[in-house]
Amino acid sequence: QVQLQESGPGLVKPSQTLSLTCNVSGGSFSGSIYYWSWLRQSAGKGLEWIGRVSSSGNGYYNPSLKSRVTISVDAVKTQFSLKLTSVTAADSAVYYCTRHSGSYYFDSWGQGTLVTVTS
Amino acid sequence: DIVLTQSPDSLAVSLGERATINCKSSQTVLYSSNNNKNYLAWYHQRPGHPPRLLVYWASTRESGVPDRFNGSGSGTDFSLTISSLQAEDVGLYFCQQYFSIPVTFGPGTTVDI
Repeated sequence: QVQLQESGPGLVKPSQTLSLTCNVSGGSFSGSIYYWSWLRQSAGKGLEWIGRVSSSGNGYYNPSLKSRVTISVDAVKTQFSLKLTSVTAADSAVYYCTRHSGSYYFDSWGQGTLVTVTS
Repeated sequence: DIVLTQSPDSLAVSLGERATINCKSSQTVLYSSNNNKNYLAWYHQRPGHPPRLLVYWASTRESGVPDRFNGSGSGTDFSLTISSLQAEDVGLYFCQQYFSIPVTFGPGTTVDI
């Protein structure tokens, strides 16, 4: 059974870049039918899809965040990563990494990691 | 973006009783050229845990999900019914559409005992 685990700083200063990594284990990664997405959850905005990457590295992002987001993949390490630039307090949330097929329902989730943007 | 609304915001149900949660979409999520599939999923989230997929294609139960969870509806109006509420079913329930990008989620319904 696939397992996902987020890692990264829990505190980020305003205007800086949020960087998180998701380690994937226990399942097929490279060349698989699956895609890998980042979502976030905050009290103010609820659940929000940030974007996804394929195992070959093709990214696709939420238009509302597209100018600030990059999602990349390292198939050798079976990891994918999120970078969100120019963060503000509105980017404070629990960030989840997830798996899905070509249809975007999310069947596997990491435990989530809380990121707080504060000076 | 497709907007999903849920009702009620919260409900309290006795153990063993039925709970029904509604989800309404601002536009249809039925893709008629793909075997008439509704691009809607339901999730359950306990405090401090990630969401767990319960139902996809509006009515297909995810593997391992108890059969007391049933999804129904089509087009813009959907429901999730828990036929006999168990203690472990408390928490937040979300609907999600994957008909169009960006995928979006409903605001959630809190179920309590």
